Amino acid sequence: GQNIDQPTEMTATEGAIVQINCTYQTSGFNGLFWYQQHAGEAPTFLSYNVLDGLEEKGRFSSFLSRSKGYSYLLLKELQMKDSASYLCAVGGYQKVTFGIGTKLQVIP
Amino acid sequence: DSGVTQTPKHLITATGQRVTLRCSPRSGDLSVYWYQQSLDQGLQFLIQYYNGEERAKGNILERFSAQQFPDLHSELNLSSLELGDSALYFCASSVEWGTYEQYFGPGTRLTVT
Repeated sequence: GQNIDQPTEMTATEGAIVQINCTYQTSGFNGLFWYQQHAGEAPTFLSYNVLDGLEEKGRFSSFLSRSKGYSYLLLKELQMKDSASYLCAVGGYQKVTFGIGTKLQVIP
Repeated sequence: DSGVTQTPKHLITATGQRVTLRCSPRSGDLSVYWYQQSLDQGLQFLIQYYNGEERAKGNILERFSAQQFPDLHSELNLSSLELGDSALYFCASSVEWGTYEQYFGPGTRLTVT
């Protein structure tokens, strides 16, 4: 089975940097995804890591350590529109399991 | 716009009733997934189809069933509805089955009264 842990809520200031952590336990790891979900809307794909290291995509970066079962999503130069839930999702054998998500509130 | 369409957008029905939710995947995607998301809850995986065949099953109740048709659209049938079935139901699609990024439809908000 798969077990995913991430903080329930975080608050950060506009213009700052925030790191959202995700730890997981899984059998048959096939990659880790991050999705963004605004309230009442569909999740949208942000990043995918299958090898260890940092993947950078504009203001968003995602890091993976397979040996530690650990990933983080780094958001730089925070904007008010970044207020959303961020879902960590782990790919296992034949399926992807989503964490409960971290609700990020960006304040002025 | 993800390219995944879902109908209807909203559905209000009474307990004990049966409803059908419909999903059309992105052009070229062969896999369809169904998820349930209750208020302030995470995405609960229900079921996955690939090219018309069931591939993986999650926490799907026996009152719920799904299928994927030859044109690759999918339907999720919910019967004997209960108040607790009120939720957002998302459909997602991916190019293949397995670990691929998924594109989500806008969801169907089901309210059972």
